[in-house]
Amino acid sequence: EIVMTQSPKSLSVSLGERATIYCKSSQSVLYNSNNKNYLGWYQQRPGQPPKLIISWASTRESGVPDRFSGSGSGTEFSLTISSLQAEDVAVYYCQQYYNSPFTFGPGTRVDF
Amino acid sequence: QVKLVQSGAEVKEPGASVNISCQASGYSLSDYYVHWVRQAPGQGLEWMGMITPSGGRNTYAQQFQGRILMTRDTSTTTVYLQLTGLTSQDTAVYYCARGPTVRSLFDPWGQGTLVTVSS
Repeated sequence: EIVMTQSPKSLSVSLGERATIYCKSSQSVLYNSNNKNYLGWYQQRPGQPPKLIISWASTRESGVPDRFSGSGSGTEFSLTISSLQAEDVAVYYCQQYYNSPFTFGPGTRVDF
Repeated sequence: QVKLVQSGAEVKEPGASVNISCQASGYSLSDYYVHWVRQAPGQGLEWMGMITPSGGRNTYAQQFQGRILMTRDTSTTTVYLQLTGLTSQDTAVYYCARGPTVRSLFDPWGQGTLVTVSS
């Protein structure tokens, strides 16, 4: 099983400021045959189901504001919110879909 | 519009079983995997398993082996999760979610079903 870790556990950032969350996997999630990282990010607002925001480590899903960006490869990844907005208050989870069981990081709570 | 609508909250006694439904609309069950993920109160996300679009062999997370069953009814475009031998540790919100391939992220998710296990 691939173990996912995230840091920090929580993050308080002023509105308009940058927030960066880190995610590590216990083994590489880069699939060599297609050079893709099987790593995604979800946003979960209070009382809501998770919402997919980033796939393939760095591809924003349709409708996701461009202040969200993902980067990284292999075992180390990050999610950056370039200018925090009030609606971005949420818990963010990374998830590997390289192999089953599909595992999530423990989550990072972002507020202001 | 693709949507997954789950059944309502359940309260169960320890040792009981629970059945949760997830009705899909806007797409064909035969084209996508459906995953189940749960979230204990104040905790993170835990993948439970997935049901294949072909109706073939499902994949379950090891910690649920022996007490989990995922089935589907294509006539009603509904997927079901059954979990038996409930304990207080199974108190959680249970989500279904769609995945296009066996190795894919989950989108969209159902609204969630709260299962409370209490005597």
